[in-house]
Amino acid sequence: AQSVTQLGSHVSVSEGALVLLRCNYSSSVPPYLFWYVQYPNQGLQLLLKYTTGATLVKGINGFEAEFKKSETSFHLTKPSAHMSDAAEYFCAVSDAGNTGKLIFGQGTTLQVKP
Amino acid sequence: IAGITQAPTSQILAAGRRMTLRCTQDMRHNAMYWYRQDLGLGLRLIHYSNTAGTTGKGEVPDGYSVSRANTDDFPLTLASAVPSQTSVYFCASSIQGGETQYFGPGTRLLVL
Repeated sequence: AQSVTQLGSHVSVSEGALVLLRCNYSSSVPPYLFWYVQYPNQGLQLLLKYTTGATLVKGINGFEAEFKKSETSFHLTKPSAHMSDAAEYFCAVSDAGNTGKLIFGQGTTLQVKP
Repeated sequence: IAGITQAPTSQILAAGRRMTLRCTQDMRHNAMYWYRQDLGLGLRLIHYSNTAGTTGKGEVPDGYSVSRANTDDFPLTLASAVPSQTSVYFCASSIQGGETQYFGPGTRLLVL
């Protein structure tokens, strides 16, 4: 069975500071890993994904994440937070195409202070 | 290009009533999914379909049914709504299972 744990339901950073959102996963098969962002009253939008190959993945809006198999982690980072980054972020794992079902973490709300 | 549309945007429903949430995609994606989003629980998969004519159960299927008569449409039906089905429902689609999922704007459902 697969699972995802996001450490910290709320993260608060100052504008211009480093953003670090933590995600750990459990999977018995090689995982596909995703980060999605949800702005208020909207659906989810893909930030980035890891399937195979390079373990450092770059996404939209300056975000990136690194797949670390030994640590079963897929943490999301951004060097400098903008006010517009305030949103809810979801990490998700898929079973690499077997069924395609996504298992989501509980979500992390990012607050950016001026 | 609309992508994925969901209807209605929001609904207040009396307990015991039947309700169908509609989802349509125009991307010719093979796979479609229904999730519910609840505070502190993230998104949980209700039902999915990897291709027209087939459906499967997700994590929380009880009280819900789906059909996939064609590629574009994937309606979700609550046969007899209960208050615990109050949630925000998202439909998603992907080219095929395992690929990136694209989400609709959601339906907010309140069951009283």
